[in-house]
Amino acid sequence: DIVMTQSPLSLPVTPGEPASISCRSSQSLLHSNGYNYLNWFLQKPGQSPQLLIYLGSNRASGVPERFSGSGSGTDFTLKISRVEAEDVGVYYCMQVLQTPFTFGPGTKVDFK
Amino acid sequence: EVQLLESGGGWVQPGGSLRLSCAVSGFTFSSYAMSWVRQAPGKGLEWVSAIGGGGGNTYYTDSVKGRFTISRDNSKNTLYLQMNSLRAEDTAVYYCNRYSGGYGDMDVWGQGTTVTVSS
Repeated sequence: DIVMTQSPLSLPVTPGEPASISCRSSQSLLHSNGYNYLNWFLQKPGQSPQLLIYLGSNRASGVPERFSGSGSGTDFTLKISRVEAEDVGVYYCMQVLQTPFTFGPGTKVDFK
Repeated sequence: EVQLLESGGGWVQPGGSLRLSCAVSGFTFSSYAMSWVRQAPGKGLEWVSAIGGGGGNTYYTDSVKGRFTISRDNSKNTLYLQMNSLRAEDTAVYYCNRYSGGYGDMDVWGQGTTVTVSS
C-alpha cells in the first residue's frame, strides 16, 4: 500500500498570511499519462470533506484562486496565498493512483 | 443540483450487519464510479471501497475484504454498502462520494451516516 505523510500536522496561521502544507508518498504518484494522482481535501469543522485540488495541481470547481497545488512524483505541496477565516479545518492529501486509495494523516489549520 | 444522501446507519452489535444506501440526484449516475470513505470518531479519513459506473469492477481496502460488499442499482440511482461481521473498529461516519476515475477526483460528497458497533 502507498503510505502518505503530511507535515506539519498542526499549522497555526494568521489571517492574510500565506500557508503551506507538505505531502509525501511512499511511491511515485506519476502515472504513465503524465498526471500525478494526488488530491487535496479540506474538512471544515462538522462538515463533509470537500475537494480542493485534483491531479496534483488542478483546482476543483468553485475553489478560490488562493489555493494552489504543486509537486510531482512523491513530493507535493498545498499553498494558500492569503489565509481567510473560512479556511480553518483539517487538510488531507490522498493518493488515487492505485487501490487501496490512501489518505495522509491530516493537517489541522487554525488561527494563532 | 448534484446531491448524495446516505442512509442506513445505526447501532449494531459486533458480528451484526447493516446496509448503507447512498441516493444520488442531479447527474447521470451510471457515468460515474462511486466510493465510500469512513471516519472513525476523532480520527482521519479512510477509503473503504469503490465501484465502477457499470458495477462490474469493485475495490476494497484490506480490512473490509470478505466482509463488506459494494454494489449499485443504476435504475434507482443508488449506491449500497453491505456490511457483515461488523467489528468495533468499523464504528465511523461513512461518506459516499462521486469518483471520476480518469481524473481521480472525488468531487461530490454526501453528509455521512453514522455506524456504531458496540455491545
